[in-house]
Amino acid sequence: AQSVAQPEDQVNVAEGNPLTVKCTYSVSGNPYLFWYVQYPNRGLQFLLKYITGDNLVKGSYGFEAEFNKSQTSFHLKKPSALVSDSALYFCAVRPLNQAGTALIFGKGTTLSVSS
Amino acid sequence: DAGVTQSPTHLIKTRGQHVTLRCSPISGHKSVSWYQQVLGQGPQFIFQYYEKEERGRGNFPDRFSARQFPNYSSELNVNALLLGDSALYLCASRSDSGLADTQYFGPGTRLTVL
Repeated sequence: AQSVAQPEDQVNVAEGNPLTVKCTYSVSGNPYLFWYVQYPNRGLQFLLKYITGDNLVKGSYGFEAEFNKSQTSFHLKKPSALVSDSALYFCAVRPLNQAGTALIFGKGTTLSVSS
Repeated sequence: DAGVTQSPTHLIKTRGQHVTLRCSPISGHKSVSWYQQVLGQGPQFIFQYYEKEERGRGNFPDRFSARQFPNYSSELNVNALLLGDSALYLCASRSDSGLADTQYFGPGTRLTVL
């Protein structure tokens, strides 16, 4: 079965430190990869996506993500965390071997940035 | 431009009732998808509609149905509600400009089944 894994339920970092939120996937072929962020009682906000090309993708609010095909990973990173980055982060993949545009999501990682 | 809008924001129903959730996509977007997000989990795909036709269906029972209207807005219907249907229901829209285009999500409808 196709799946997305976010191995950490929670990531804690101090403001100003770099952060990494991990994501690995098990999908046949070369899927499209996405990161979304969810603030309390809100929908999902798009951060960035990888389609093809450079393995380092830059997105909104200073976030970037690194695609690693051999490790089937797409980790989200930011060089310097802000308290306002505290939220729930979801990794998602869109398999290309199926009809439609359904996204498969991980279970989410809560990022907590302390001041 | 307005983003994806959903109504109502919150809804409380009792077991066995029926519910209709509504979604208006971003202007110019022709594809609408529905997702269910149970507390503590990631969203799960329910349906995708494009140009009023169903293009994808997730692993949900037949109690769940949807449709898309000529103005590309969409409704999600759930019959014979169960306690387990309590969740945040998210609608997402995307343009048809290419395979790689992004899905943009609305704020969701919080459904509570008592």
